[in-house]
Amino acid sequence: SQTIHQWPATLVQPVGSPLSLECTVEGTSNPNLYWYRQAAGRGLQLLFYSVGIGQISSEVPQNLSASRPQDRQFILSSKKLLLSDSGFYLCAWSVWGNQPQHFGDGTRLSIL
Amino acid sequence: DQQVKQNSPSLSVQEGRISILNCDYTNSMFDYFLWYKKYPAEGPTFLISISSIKDKNEDGRFTVFLNKSAKHLSLHIVPSQPGDSAVYFCAASQGTYKYIFGTGTRLKVLA
Repeated sequence: SQTIHQWPATLVQPVGSPLSLECTVEGTSNPNLYWYRQAAGRGLQLLFYSVGIGQISSEVPQNLSASRPQDRQFILSSKKLLLSDSGFYLCAWSVWGNQPQHFGDGTRLSIL
Repeated sequence: DQQVKQNSPSLSVQEGRISILNCDYTNSMFDYFLWYKKYPAEGPTFLISISSIKDKNEDGRFTVFLNKSAKHLSLHIVPSQPGDSAVYFCAASQGTYKYIFGTGTRLKVLA
């Protein structure tokens, strides 16, 4: 069966520090991969998606970037975090077509 | 512009009764709709989906209804159980990878 791992579960970082969140999927090949953010009291905002290795599309211009170095690995990064980057970050995967996306357990990021 | 709206931020229901969660959308090109359930500090879990060619889909205690003319979908939970207490998100897509999520409704089932 397919599983998705996301870490760390919580992270506290100072303003201006770098960020690297990692997500890996097991049990499937060539998945679509996604990064979402849920800000307090808000819905899920799609940040990035990827349909293959090295293929990244950005939905919202911002302080973050994403990379897909391997088929089942998706990384969310920032060179310098802002206070507004605080939130709950979720990785998800899906197959092609009208199929549900499946989410990891998320990373709670707090910027001080 | 919020294309998918959940206008009720919270809902309380007595155990054993029906819970009805509502979702409205504005884009008539959406053709696939989903409901997710989310517990605190966890990722959303897929519950049930419906294609635009249907108006109802059932899975155990969960039924999703789609009214395309009104651009409205609802999730019915019967009977409601305390373990159903969570935040519920609806989502919609236009036959692509991109799902638009609502802001969520917090359901509390009272024992």
